[in-house]
Amino acid sequence: EAQVTQNPRYLITVTGKKLTVTCSQNMNHEYMSWYRQDPGLGLRQIYYSMNVEVTDKGDVPEGYKVSRKEKRNFPLILESPSPNQTSLYFCASRALAGSYNEQFFGPGTRLTVL
Amino acid sequence: AQKVTQAQTEISVVEKEDVTLDCVYETRDTTYYLFWYKQPPSGELVFLIRRNSFDEQNEISGRYSWNFQKSTSSFNFTITASQVVDSAVYFCALYNAGNNRKLIWGLGTSLAVNP
Repeated sequence: EAQVTQNPRYLITVTGKKLTVTCSQNMNHEYMSWYRQDPGLGLRQIYYSMNVEVTDKGDVPEGYKVSRKEKRNFPLILESPSPNQTSLYFCASRALAGSYNEQFFGPGTRLTVL
Repeated sequence: AQKVTQAQTEISVVEKEDVTLDCVYETRDTTYYLFWYKQPPSGELVFLIRRNSFDEQNEISGRYSWNFQKSTSSFNFTITASQVVDSAVYFCALYNAGNNRKLIWGLGTSLAVNP
């Protein structure tokens, strides 16, 4: 089954404790991205990647890091989480070839930073 | 500048009513795509429809229909005979290749369908 998986689905942590949210897709997609969703602000892109070893900032990259060492994985790293990073996070992927292809979303990770 | 406006923040209807969710977009590109996604209370994002800028035909899928009008830069979504299961947040989004290939999202419309 074609899918994007994220782990963990729920996480409660404390300020300053490094964490990683994993994202993996099994569709051989080139493009992957991370979004955060906050009430009243909609979905905002954090980082995106066009292919392995190619990453770039989205609209709200501060406080986040990403890496793309393998095509299927695109982890989101919070080196020193703060309460304002409490949010719902989505990973997404899609193919780049041809015209726009459907974007597949992971199930979301609900992060609470105390 | 690319922008998507969903002017209705929240809508509340009674079951079996028809409801239309508005979406107005801004783009200077001639080639672009428009989308609707549904986010039920469980939180996942569910793809509903994609429409490219060269196809202005309206689309119907069961109780769902979409009205794309380039003249008014609108891509409205109508649910006919709404049901409680339609309660969700609905997002409209815009894509064009020139904008770092990312989706531009509206802020969403929260629809509550009451029994």
